[in-house]
Amino acid sequence: QKEVEQNSGPLSVPEGAIASLNCTYSDRGSQSFFWYRQYSGKSPELIMFIYSNGDKEDGRFTAQLNKASQYVSLLIRDSQPSDSATYLCAVNRGAAGNKLTFGGGTRVLVKP
Amino acid sequence: DVKVTQSSRYLVKRTGEKVFLECVQDMDHENMFWYRQDPGLGLRLIYFSYDVKMKEKGDIPEGYSVSREKKERFSLILESASTNQTSMYLCASRVDSVNYGYTFGSGTRLTVV
Repeated sequence: QKEVEQNSGPLSVPEGAIASLNCTYSDRGSQSFFWYRQYSGKSPELIMFIYSNGDKEDGRFTAQLNKASQYVSLLIRDSQPSDSATYLCAVNRGAAGNKLTFGGGTRVLVKP
Repeated sequence: DVKVTQSSRYLVKRTGEKVFLECVQDMDHENMFWYRQDPGLGLRLIYFSYDVKMKEKGDIPEGYSVSREKKERFSLILESASTNQTSMYLCASRVDSVNYGYTFGSGTRLTVV
């Protein structure tokens, strides 16, 4: 079992709809969770982080964390073509260096 | 804004060459990381450092070494480049706290011919 798993997609979403991305993780001791957006040929950029159970909203993005079920999700409301990218889920297990473990990413395509 | 600068955007090297990839961050972050990213394999950690002169192996350290002589600079060294090291290399830095994510550099696309 991979430490952090994501559906690779592509997730095809009509413009204006909600894109829902899921991520599961295997280590119950994981402490914080991050969502990165990566455009083709570019480096990842941080868009959300969450460390408490529940929802966290930032603009059109909402991160949801359920530690009991070991999943974290990202909702993108009013999806725009500019949201077309690969979204990486990352988990901090609190080990030395606070290094992150990344999922393989979900590719999102927003169609006009 | 934190800046992480990688010295080269594109590099082409020959098999057997010694290759240096440089990374500099300007926000006094304790932790620095080197990843490579390949299609279908995702981001894989090569090495990381949590302090000057300290280094830890990641998941795929074979064929690589690193150097951190100053807090702001973390270098990745390919001792003898091989074609299977053709990849996108990403440097990242981070405050030493669980509630902060990485800031990535813009990446170096290395081709070994």
